[in-house]
Amino acid sequence: GENVEQHPSTLSVQEGDSAVIKCTYSDSASNYFPWYKQELGKGPQLIIDIRSNVGEKKDQRIAVTLNKTAKHFSLHITETQPEDSAVYFCAASSATNAGKSTFGDGTTLTVKP
Amino acid sequence: DTEVTQTPKHLVMGMTNKKSLKCEQHMGHRAMYWYKQKAKKPPELMFVYSYEKLSINESVPSRFSPECPNSSLLNLHLHALQPEDSALYLCASSQNLAGGTDTQYFGPGTRLTVL
Repeated sequence: GENVEQHPSTLSVQEGDSAVIKCTYSDSASNYFPWYKQELGKGPQLIIDIRSNVGEKKDQRIAVTLNKTAKHFSLHITETQPEDSAVYFCAASSATNAGKSTFGDGTTLTVKP
Repeated sequence: DTEVTQTPKHLVMGMTNKKSLKCEQHMGHRAMYWYKQKAKKPPELMFVYSYEKLSINESVPSRFSPECPNSSLLNLHLHALQPEDSALYLCASSQNLAGGTDTQYFGPGTRLTVL
């Protein structure tokens, strides 16, 4: 089955700095890669996603890159703000395992004011 | 509107109780999911319904019983739970299961404590 590894497990940055979280996956059939942000006491919320026919996607301060050859994808947050502090999960899914997303173990991001 | 609602927000129950968790979405999604999440861990898939039929059961103990009465509602019936079942129970929905690329929208979860 699919295996997703996420690094780092914790990340602390100063407000205004950039943050990068990386994930690798094992199943070459995976073709959908969402990123979720989970704040304390809340459910995960989709912040950005990318499909395997695209190499990069950007939405304001958030961007995701995908390298299918190397089987890794990354989340980039620029100009971080204290409200970006949360746990971030990457995930991977494929048509052969529809409905079964494999999640990374999460990254706790702390943005210091 | 991309909202999935869950009730109750918190639930405390004894090991002999029977209770139910409820999930609702009005996005016209035809796939609905139950996840269990322990502290500092990623969500763990329990069940998936597609077009109101159970499509995936991740070998969940029978003390958890899912039900999908209609395309907007998803229930999780709980009976004879153990303290280790205490967790955040998340519901999610997506357009359908086609292609495995559908975005899942999560609800806020029900925080369950089993005494």
